[in-house]
Amino acid sequence: KQEVTQIPAALSVPEGENLVLNCSFTDSAIYNLQWFRQDPGKGLTSLLLIQSSQREQTSGRLNASLDKSSGRSTLYIAASQPGDSATYLCAVWPQGGSEKLVFGKGTKLTVNP
Amino acid sequence: GAVVSQHPSRVICKSGTSVKIECRSLDFQATTMFWYRQFPKQSLMLMATSNEGSKATYEQGVEKDKFLINHASLTLSTLTVTSAHPEDSSFYICSARGRDRGNYGYTFGSGTRLTVV
Repeated sequence: KQEVTQIPAALSVPEGENLVLNCSFTDSAIYNLQWFRQDPGKGLTSLLLIQSSQREQTSGRLNASLDKSSGRSTLYIAASQPGDSATYLCAVWPQGGSEKLVFGKGTKLTVNP
Repeated sequence: GAVVSQHPSRVICKSGTSVKIECRSLDFQATTMFWYRQFPKQSLMLMATSNEGSKATYEQGVEKDKFLINHASLTLSTLTVTSAHPEDSSFYICSARGRDRGNYGYTFGSGTRLTVV
């Protein structure tokens, strides 16, 4: 059974700092991995989608890497801003017929001005 | 990019009434849609998976007669909370996956805050 773990559960940093959020998954048989952001009381916003054949994806100040063999992904946020404060969720789409995403419990990020 | 529209964003209803939540894929055809429930400060809990033109598949512990899901077209799925009770108050979010496997990933709606009084 696929399990996704995110570390740390919460992170508080000063504005301008570069930071890394970690995601690990137990089964490397995945189609893709997706990073989401959720603001309080809102839905999920997709940040980056990494196909299983890819190693990384970049969008603006965000960079996500994928090491499928070791079951790890990282989300790197450069020059953090208070507007980056949110909960970041990692999810994998497992191979094997099920279309259900498997989510981690998220990392709650607070960027202090 | 892919957009999923969810309405209403907030709804307050009286206990015993039914509420319908709509989820539409605006610029792609969604063969599969998912309905989640989220309690405060907790992660998403998958309730059911709906496939266009067929019956929804419910997760264990989810009452299919209370949470009616209809996926009548490739762009619309609805969740109806029947005979709502205060314990049904929650945040409901839909998600859709496009036809081209892996190309779109999963796109989520903005969520519906249901309050049953």
